[in-house]
Amino acid sequence: EAGVAQSPRYKIIEKRQSVAFWCNPISGHATLYWYQQILGQGPKLLIQFQNNGVVDDSQLPKDRFSAERLKGVDSTLKIQPAKLEDSAVYLCASSLLGALGYTFGSGTRLTVV
Amino acid sequence: GQQVMQIPQYQHVQEGEDFTTYCNSSTTLSNIQWYKQRPGGHPVFLIQLVKSGEVKKQKRLTFQFGEAKKNSSLHITATQTTDVGTYFCAGDAGGTSYGKLTFGQGTILTVHP
Repeated sequence: EAGVAQSPRYKIIEKRQSVAFWCNPISGHATLYWYQQILGQGPKLLIQFQNNGVVDDSQLPKDRFSAERLKGVDSTLKIQPAKLEDSAVYLCASSLLGALGYTFGSGTRLTVV
Repeated sequence: GQQVMQIPQYQHVQEGEDFTTYCNSSTTLSNIQWYKQRPGGHPVFLIQLVKSGEVKKQKRLTFQFGEAKKNSSLHITATQTTDVGTYFCAGDAGGTSYGKLTFGQGTILTVHP
């Protein structure tokens, strides 16, 4: 089966600019997650979708981050405006409800300068 | 909120030596999962433990879940250079948080040939 697709792989932007990341989960996976991984740390959950509904966005900085999952398939994560501390790898993962483990995409490495 | 701590942060071993990483949660878990992240890569699911006191083996890897379902360990016997990477535990508190994983900060394993 195809894995979780993410794009772009790398992005460099200046602070205060906006950026968007795209994720296509594994076909049939109802649950989709966006994680932020700062260098040297474990992934931190930003938002969890079940189909096209938000299950948990308690750790999403909503003043600058937004995410959507239209039609319960693809998802986009947006940052506007970006700050230096947003430099991280943004990982998308998907899973079947009740199934074992997440499948992560390759991530988008964001550098804010 | 839930916290997951891992020790040690780093472990350097000679090829053939054993390796153990420990994981502790601030709250009782529904299940615990382990992931491996190769340098420059993304987390890859290894295993999920659900039952109190559960022990699972995958070739040279042995995973344990504590009796109180608040701690876990991963032991690798006779490490190989292919074991290099960061090992993360991730806890699922269950209930309304089912499917939401809180990751530890990881243990970075380096293996000297």
